[in-house]
Amino acid sequence: ETGVTQSPTHLIKTRGQQVTLRCSSQSGHNTVSWYQQALGQGPQFIFQYYREEENGRGNFPPRFSGLQFPNYSSELNVNALELDDSALYLCASSLAQANTGELFFGEGSRLTVL
Amino acid sequence: AQSVTQLDSQVPVFEEAPVELRCNYSSSVSVYLFWYVQYPNQGLQLLLKYLSGSTLVESINGFEAEFNKSQTSFHLRKPSVHISDTAEYFCAVIRSGGYQKVTFGTGTKLQVIP
Repeated sequence: ETGVTQSPTHLIKTRGQQVTLRCSSQSGHNTVSWYQQALGQGPQFIFQYYREEENGRGNFPPRFSGLQFPNYSSELNVNALELDDSALYLCASSLAQANTGELFFGEGSRLTVL
Repeated sequence: AQSVTQLDSQVPVFEEAPVELRCNYSSSVSVYLFWYVQYPNQGLQLLLKYLSGSTLVESINGFEAEFNKSQTSFHLRKPSVHISDTAEYFCAVIRSGGYQKVTFGTGTKLQVIP
């Protein structure tokens, strides 16, 4: 069974740039959620994708966008980066039909915005 | 909406001593509750979960948590901690039957002292 993998693991950008983070979900999972974890904070829900459509969104501006592909992998895109976007971005996969709320996390992509 | 409060940001404890990490939640609907653990530079891993049934749930590595509906709490306990338990612990809640937006607390850093 393949776990959740994310890339890149670390990256540095400057204000105003754009970034794309990638996630491969765990084998057999059809739902992907993205979370932002700022330093010293708990993960904050960005959005969730199910069947290639956004299935719920947290309190994040439209410059945070995403995609889910037919193989259930996903991308998180952030435009016009701001200093406060510096955080660990976590991808989590799950099986919608299980309806248990259990999430399987990748190790995250650490973004630093200078 | 659901919310989670973890009152203790850091808990130092000597090895082989007992520990309790506190978690309180708020919700107007029924919920599922979770504890996740995050080791340094890693993603989150599920430690244990409460969905329904017995209010006392256990993990494979000796942790347990008790769902207390009247006190809206889900405290995590271990009778004897080990150095390897040093990590950050996050309490989380999801509305049962809803879409999978998991709300996390701000985390408690458990520091086991040799």
